[in-house]
Amino acid sequence: DVKVTQSSRYLVKRTGEKVFLECVQDMDHENMFWYRQDPGLGLRLIYFSYDVKMKEKGDIPEGYSVSREKKERFSLILESASTNQTSMYLCASSLDRRVGLTGELFFGEGSRLTVL
Amino acid sequence: AQSVTQPDIHITVSEGASLELRCNYSYGATPYLFWYVQSPGQGLQLLLKYFSGDTLVQGIKGFEAEFKRSQSSFNLRKPSVHWSDAAEYFCAVGASGTYKYIFGTGTRLKVLA
Repeated sequence: DVKVTQSSRYLVKRTGEKVFLECVQDMDHENMFWYRQDPGLGLRLIYFSYDVKMKEKGDIPEGYSVSREKKERFSLILESASTNQTSMYLCASSLDRRVGLTGELFFGEGSRLTVL
Repeated sequence: AQSVTQPDIHITVSEGASLELRCNYSYGATPYLFWYVQSPGQGLQLLLKYFSGDTLVQGIKGFEAEFKRSQSSFNLRKPSVHWSDAAEYFCAVGASGTYKYIFGTGTRLKVLA
C-alpha cells in the first residue's frame, strides 16, 4: 500500500515563525501536492510538484513556498507564519501528472497547524 | 469554469437506513470523478472513482456511485449505513490530461444509533 507520511500531526507556532511541514511518500510517485483544508471551503491546492526541483503554484500559493530535493519528500514552508494560516494541511501524491493515467491522490493524515 | 458542488453540508441518517450524497460538477470534457472519505482527524481515503465505461461504480465499504452525464452528477449511495460511516465525504473532479483535481466542500455525515 502507498503510504504518505506527514511527520507532524499537530503544531503550535507563533506569528512570524518559520514553519516547515514535511511529507514523505514511499511508492516512487512522480507527483506530490500540498492542500489546505478549511471548514466550508473544501481542499484548496497550495503547490504541486511533478518532479524533483520542479514545482507549480496552485490556487493559494501566497505566503507559502515548497521544496522538493528528493523524489520522495515534499516540504511546505511558511516563511513567516500568520494567524490566517491556522489550518489543516494535507499532503498527497499520485503516480503520474496526468489524472487519466493513475486516477487517485493518496493522502497523508494531515498536519494541523495553529498560529498564535 | 470547472467546479464541484456538494449541496448538502450536513446529513443525518439512522443506522441501517439508506444513504445518498449528492455531487454535481461543471466540466467541459469527460470528467474523471472521485469520492473520498475523511474520518475525524485523518487524511482522505479513496472510496471509488469513475474514468469511463460502466456508469455505476462500486467502491470500498459497500459504497457505489452513478455517473449521469445528462445531469452532471456523480451521487454516492449506500444501501445500509453503519455507525462507522460517520465521516466527511468529498467529491472531486480530475481534469483530464492535467494534474488538477477540484474538490467539493464536503458533506458531513452523522449516523444515529
